[in-house]
Amino acid sequence: SQQGEEDPQALSIQEGENATMNCSYKTSINNLQWYRQNSGRGLVHLILIRSNEREKHSGRLRVTLDTSKKSSSLLITASRAADTASYFCARKGNDYKLSFGAGTTVTVRA
Amino acid sequence: EAGVAQSPRYKIIEKRQSVAFWCNPISGHATLYWYQQILGQGPKLLIQFQNNGVVDDSQLPKDRFSAERLKGVDSTLKIQPAKLEDSAVYLCASSLLRTSTDTQYFGPGTRLTVL
Repeated sequence: SQQGEEDPQALSIQEGENATMNCSYKTSINNLQWYRQNSGRGLVHLILIRSNEREKHSGRLRVTLDTSKKSSSLLITASRAADTASYFCARKGNDYKLSFGAGTTVTVRA
Repeated sequence: EAGVAQSPRYKIIEKRQSVAFWCNPISGHATLYWYQQILGQGPKLLIQFQNNGVVDDSQLPKDRFSAERLKGVDSTLKIQPAKLEDSAVYLCASSLLRTSTDTQYFGPGTRLTVL
């Protein structure tokens, strides 16, 4: 079963706008990771946030983590056409296994 | 640095046939993973190797799926016999070590269609 659930399932935005997607999970985590998957390609690791961290930045990406609510969010600022992809959150438990959610499909319109 | 290589990229078979997928991880990566990604879903871990030993195969349907990683480098995943519900993308990933914060690097995947 999927351990992380992303919301929304799909998102369409204009180039230059920000995109926000959320991830909820059910069990405790060691860390939470976000991946991007372009159509027909493998997944690319974007960012990792540890369970004792609350916010992390990487370029145009900002990730927050609220362990009390068992949720995380990914913000992409100033979106570009190249950001069109599916985004997955993945929970890593203390068993070192990654459990992926169903993903959010983001479409950036020119 | 070369990425994770997988072949074939696409495979179409009929149900009850057999199929095998090959993966070559990034050089020096001790940990190798096989995931199954059904359309519209996230990847699901099938099996995880540490060097040539199996660390976790709890979600591998062992009645039809098998995998090996001889010599701790390349790996093959086999399905015999295939069912319609096996249609999916099979992703191979590797990481340097098996730690809580290791980054997994994914190959392009093999898209399997079972008719």
